[in-house]
Amino acid sequence: DTGVSQDPRHKITKRGQNVTFRCDPISEHNRLYWYRQTLGQGPEFLTYFQNEAQLEKSRLLSDRFSAERPKGSFSTLEIQRTEQGDSAMYLCASSLGRRANSPLHFGNGTRLTVT
Amino acid sequence: LAKTTQPISMDSYEGQEVNITCSHNNIATNDYITWYQQFPSQGPRFIIQGYKTKVTNEVASLFIPADRKSSTLSLPRVSLSDTAVYYCLVPTSGTYKYIFGTGTRLKVLA
Repeated sequence: DTGVSQDPRHKITKRGQNVTFRCDPISEHNRLYWYRQTLGQGPEFLTYFQNEAQLEKSRLLSDRFSAERPKGSFSTLEIQRTEQGDSAMYLCASSLGRRANSPLHFGNGTRLTVT
Repeated sequence: LAKTTQPISMDSYEGQEVNITCSHNNIATNDYITWYQQFPSQGPRFIIQGYKTKVTNEVASLFIPADRKSSTLSLPRVSLSDTAVYYCLVPTSGTYKYIFGTGTRLKVLA
């Protein structure tokens, strides 16, 4: 169990640029989650997958955000035309879906700064 | 909206026992309650999970009354390194989606 891995740890980009983050979940974990967290707030749900299927996407998420999990393993989160309001920590988590109420295991996030 | 309600902050001194209570009035019959700890610039870390009565592990205890509408995380003899934000979490009914609240910011003082 090597834990959930996220890459990069930090990303600085200029407004209007596209960015992509990667998440490698714990092997055999079939559920994968993306959250966004700003200073002083709890993680905000963005989307989650069961295997390669995206089961739900937050209605608060604009069309500039897209996530994929092509083979049910790693996942990518892309933000197009970044805005300063996108600056946040983006967290990925995974869980073992075969067990009900399986706890989430989080990575240490990607911190995005949009200048 | 978050399904859980917790105090926003608590202060304690080293060596004391800390109890953080969470309200989850609409918890579904089959749902477990899970607690996480988060340090700055890190992802939340699983602490403990329970369904009813009492669960204990090497770092904490979790007390859940019979009606399951609340739960209490108990941290015995806290140290400065326990300063963190603590979240309780229950799944959104009928899904595997988890909505975080603002958590409880625990500050342990020397």
